[in-house]
Amino acid sequence: GNSVTQMEGPVTLSEEAFLTINCTYTATGYPSLFWYVQYPGEGLQLLLKATKADDKGSNKGFEATYRKETTSFHLEKGSVQVSDSAVYFCALSDRGNAGNMLTFGGGTRLMVKP
Amino acid sequence: EAGVVQSPRYKIIEKKQPVAFWCNPISGHNTLYWYRQNLGQGPELLIRYENEEAVDDSQLPKDRFSAERLKGVDSTLKIQPAELGDSAVYLCASSLRGEHSYEQYFGPGTRLTVT
Repeated sequence: GNSVTQMEGPVTLSEEAFLTINCTYTATGYPSLFWYVQYPGEGLQLLLKATKADDKGSNKGFEATYRKETTSFHLEKGSVQVSDSAVYFCALSDRGNAGNMLTFGGGTRLMVKP
Repeated sequence: EAGVVQSPRYKIIEKKQPVAFWCNPISGHNTLYWYRQNLGQGPELLIRYENEEAVDDSQLPKDRFSAERLKGVDSTLKIQPAELGDSAVYLCASSLRGEHSYEQYFGPGTRLTVT
C-alpha cells in the first residue's frame, strides 16, 4: 500500500534559518506529491504540489522537488519567519485505483523563534 | 469565495452518547471527504463521496459511524454510540473533479472529546 514518512518534530529554528523537512514515500502507482500546512486553530491548507518526477513545487518561499529515484519530496525554505510556525504534512495522491485519496505523513511541527 | 464550513468546531460528550458533525463544501465541488485526525498524526480518510454516492467507505467503522450527503452538497457524519477512542479532530474536505481533483480544500475541523 501507500505510505508517507516524514521527520518527527518538533523542529525549532531561529528566524532567518534554513529549513529542511524530510519526506519519503512508498506508492504502488505514480503519485502526485503535496505539502500541506496547518496553522494553529485552522484547517489544512495546500502549500505546494508536484505531479511528476523532477517537478519543483514552490509557494511562499517554500520549495520541494519530486525525486523519483530516491522517492523523496523534501520541503525547504531558505529563511524562515516566525509566521511559518505551524505543522507541515507531506502527502501523496495515487491516481490509480485509490482515486483521489490522500495519504498523509504524521506531520512535523515547526517552531520559529524570533 | 467561501471555504469549507464545518460545525460545530468543538464538541464534548460522554461515552455512549451520539454525536453528529456537519460539513458544507465549497460551491461546485463534487467530491467530499471526511477524515479523522488523531492527536499528533496525519489525517486518515473515513469516507469519500462523489456527488451523493459514497465511493470509498472502506475505512469507516460501520458499526457505529454513518454518513450521508443528501442532494450531493452538505454532508453529515454521525457516531452512535461514541467511545473514548473516538476523541479526535474530524476534518471535511472537498475538491473538483477532473484535472485538479487531487487538490483538496479542508475545513477547520470539529474537535471531539469523549469523556
